[in-house]
Amino acid sequence: EPEVTQTPSHQVTQMGQEVILRCVPISNHLYFYWYRQILGQKVEFLVSFYNNEISEKSEIFDDQFSVERPDGSNFTLKIRSTKLEDSAMYFCASTLAGILNEQFFGPGTRLTVL
Amino acid sequence: AQTVTQSQPEMSVQEAETVTLSCTYDTSESDYYLFWYKQPPSRQMILVIRQEAYKQQNATENRFSVNFQKAAKSFSLKISDSQLGDAAMYFCAYRSGDDKIIFGKGTRLHILP
Repeated sequence: EPEVTQTPSHQVTQMGQEVILRCVPISNHLYFYWYRQILGQKVEFLVSFYNNEISEKSEIFDDQFSVERPDGSNFTLKIRSTKLEDSAMYFCASTLAGILNEQFFGPGTRLTVL
Repeated sequence: AQTVTQSQPEMSVQEAETVTLSCTYDTSESDYYLFWYKQPPSRQMILVIRQEAYKQQNATENRFSVNFQKAAKSFSLKISDSQLGDAAMYFCAYRSGDDKIIFGKGTRLHILP
């Protein structure tokens, strides 16, 4: 069964450093998402991406964040200068069509900012 | 703005018994989807069940069923014959035309042997 994959599973970084979280969505999917879950809190939407551009972003997704689909298979989330409060689990999700189909979630990347 | 509320931070149920997790939501949309996701200790998000708002019939998936009350904006999850593997965090979630999923804060379910 096809699945969304994410790498790395755990990333530790120093405050102020740049990190790139990688996701490989399911191959024929068209819509891509990033969500964040701070430990012990709910999952929060960050950004959605379709047709090589951001379709929606939350207020969390400020100028420190960017997304890219560099090669037609990977979908990346970059945090330019990490802050302590960026420590969280980051989930990538993808879906075939925007509304009617299930969003499949990846296993998540745990980001720890020291 | 749409909101999802889960009023039970934690619940416990005896193995083989039935438990109901509550969820309410607020929206002005008429077409939307509701979901229950399970998050085990591995923290993977697993879709348990989903309900289309235009369907009056409550969704069921094996031991999992929902009680969808559209007028009351209520969407509870019933787990029958609870098993140890059901222990997890359960998130109620909402999705409408703008695509993103909005999650509740979750209910941690403990299964007592």
